[in-house]
Amino acid sequence: DAGVIQSPRHEVTEMGQEVTLRCKPISGHDYLFWYRQTMMRGLELLIYFNNNVPIDDSGMPEDRFSAKMPNASFSTLKIQPSEPRDSAVYFCASRYGQGNQPQHFGDGTRLSIL
Amino acid sequence: QKEVEQDPGPLSVPEGAIVSLNCTYSNSAFQYFMWYRQYSRKGPELLMYTYSSGNKEDGRFTAQVDKSSKYISLFIRDSQPSDSATYLCAMSKGSNYQLIWGAGTKLIIKP
Repeated sequence: DAGVIQSPRHEVTEMGQEVTLRCKPISGHDYLFWYRQTMMRGLELLIYFNNNVPIDDSGMPEDRFSAKMPNASFSTLKIQPSEPRDSAVYFCASRYGQGNQPQHFGDGTRLSIL
Repeated sequence: QKEVEQDPGPLSVPEGAIVSLNCTYSNSAFQYFMWYRQYSRKGPELLMYTYSSGNKEDGRFTAQVDKSSKYISLFIRDSQPSDSATYLCAMSKGSNYQLIWGAGTKLIIKP
């Protein structure tokens, strides 16, 4: 079975541009998480969905960040406008069931904002 | 102060050594404890999971939880170069709560 699929794997863009990151969770998983990982701050939870509904977006740093999950097999994280401090690796993870179940991560999108 | 503290390393040991990785935490409500392994340019993957206190063993890996000291450990026996990765601890208060992550410890096993 395919794991969590993220695209693109790498994104380099200039400050002020819109960035869209995409995620396809594992089929049948009902939770989806977006994380950001940097050397300074480690792994930070940005937002998570349950059955396509956003449950907690308190980790979203600013209004420039938005996330959607239009259906069970697709989610996007959008940054508009992007800034150099948004440079990080963004991970999507999915999980089946409650919090004691493992989260399955994609390989991430390495984002560089120039 | 962070809820979960983890030394970022790097920790460098020779092949075959026993490795000890640790996390401390401040919230006594944590019940579920996990260790994830992250290879370079990959996402984290679950390695070990324990509930409440005690030990759990899986092959060369042993996870230990000491709730009285708010301290968890991951031991790797007969370490191999393929164990070189970043190890992240994560924990939660219950099944309806999300994971709180440590910063990760970078482990290097020298051949």
